[in-house]
Amino acid sequence: QITLEESGPTLVKPTQTLTLTCTFSGFSLSTSIEGVGWIRQPPGKALEWLGHIYQNDDLRYSPSLKNRLTIAKDTSKNQVVLTMTNMDPVDTGTYFCAHHWGYFDLWGQGIEVTVSS
Amino acid sequence: QSALTQPRSVSGSPGQSVTISCTGTSSDIGAYNYVSWLQRHPNKAPRVVISDVYNRPSGVPDRFSGSKSGNTASLTISGLQAEDEADYYCCSFAGYHINWVFGAGTKLTVL
Repeated sequence: QITLEESGPTLVKPTQTLTLTCTFSGFSLSTSIEGVGWIRQPPGKALEWLGHIYQNDDLRYSPSLKNRLTIAKDTSKNQVVLTMTNMDPVDTGTYFCAHHWGYFDLWGQGIEVTVSS
Repeated sequence: QSALTQPRSVSGSPGQSVTISCTGTSSDIGAYNYVSWLQRHPNKAPRVVISDVYNRPSGVPDRFSGSKSGNTASLTISGLQAEDEADYYCCSFAGYHINWVFGAGTKLTVL
């Protein structure tokens, strides 16, 4: 059974860097077609794809956010880490990680992040 | 990238059918058969109920069905049950630059 769980701070200040960790089980990023992605949802708005990483370290980032994002994996810990720099109140929302196998088929519950001073 | 357009809310009585639309463009829904639908109950992880436009993942009741015409995808839930009350989101592949786009969600109320 595949599970994913997001963890990290729920409150960050403007200009700070957000670091979120996705800890997963039930798979090992051992298949080239398999990956882990990050998606967020600002309050009342659409889900927004941020990026994802594959087993072979192939990385994809949202063009609008690529200058602020870093996604990395730690295979030994079954974790994928999202780093987003220069946080702003508009970055407030729920952040999800999801297993990607052709599409985002299994999701974590999400973590609510508020950006406020 | 632009989000996909969904109605904010739909409703139906138990046993009825409802259809939720998801409108994109010729660069996403119109270009690829990689449309999925997510169901999310409050404070729960999203669950995929339809993948690749039509496919139902294992464990999803056959009351859920998907379709696509042009730039619009649709999710139909027949024989509505109380447990179907949730938020539903569509998702489409949009090419290797944009990658994935999502809708803002449709709240389904079972009356």
